[in-house]
Amino acid sequence: DAKTTQPPSMDCAEGRAANLPCNHSTISGNEYVYWYRQIHSQGPQYIIHGLKNNETNEMASLIITEDRKSSTLILPHATLRDTAVYYCIVMAWEYGNKLVFGAGTILRVKS
Amino acid sequence: EPEVTQTPSHQVTQMGQEVILRCVPISNHLYFYWYRQILGQKVEFLVSFYNNEISEKSEIFDDQFSVERPDGSNFTLKIRSTKLEDSAMYFCASSDGLGPSGANVLTFGAGSRLTVL
Repeated sequence: DAKTTQPPSMDCAEGRAANLPCNHSTISGNEYVYWYRQIHSQGPQYIIHGLKNNETNEMASLIITEDRKSSTLILPHATLRDTAVYYCIVMAWEYGNKLVFGAGTILRVKS
Repeated sequence: EPEVTQTPSHQVTQMGQEVILRCVPISNHLYFYWYRQILGQKVEFLVSFYNNEISEKSEIFDDQFSVERPDGSNFTLKIRSTKLEDSAMYFCASSDGLGPSGANVLTFGAGSRLTVL
């Protein structure tokens, strides 16, 4: 079962930052936080991951609280194409480990 | 950018027929996965595969399902006798087991939609 809690849906205005929260209060020390998204039944797409430090890449930023019990995915300038289901997943780093998807957050970006 | 390729994109079959879904993982990847998503539901893990054998499988992956890596590039999912409830999107994924910061990042294909009538 998924070890994370996410709001079922969120809205965001186009051009504004989208901040997607995730609660993972039972995370273990060797578990990473991963974010994937799924645009309209396409295959899930990797966004970003982190262990304990904040991370940034060309798609997004990931802010992990100091106690690692929650995190926030930030899309700095959301566009209509960012409308998707966003999944927060915690997973221990092991060779070939599988992702377990929850229900995710439906993000609707509106013009 | 390297991608995972799946064929067919859509297959319609009659109940009881055998179906083979094909995947071409990213060439230097070593770990392979099949997931499925029934319309309106979560993405569910089916099976993982490494070194020519199944690493892990879910309860969904019963005797009707099998996977194979018949050559150096393809990875297939076979459903022996399809049921109505097998109608779903099937996603293949692959990973090199490592990635930035040594974490396991999966790359997914676009999916194969299976419709069982």
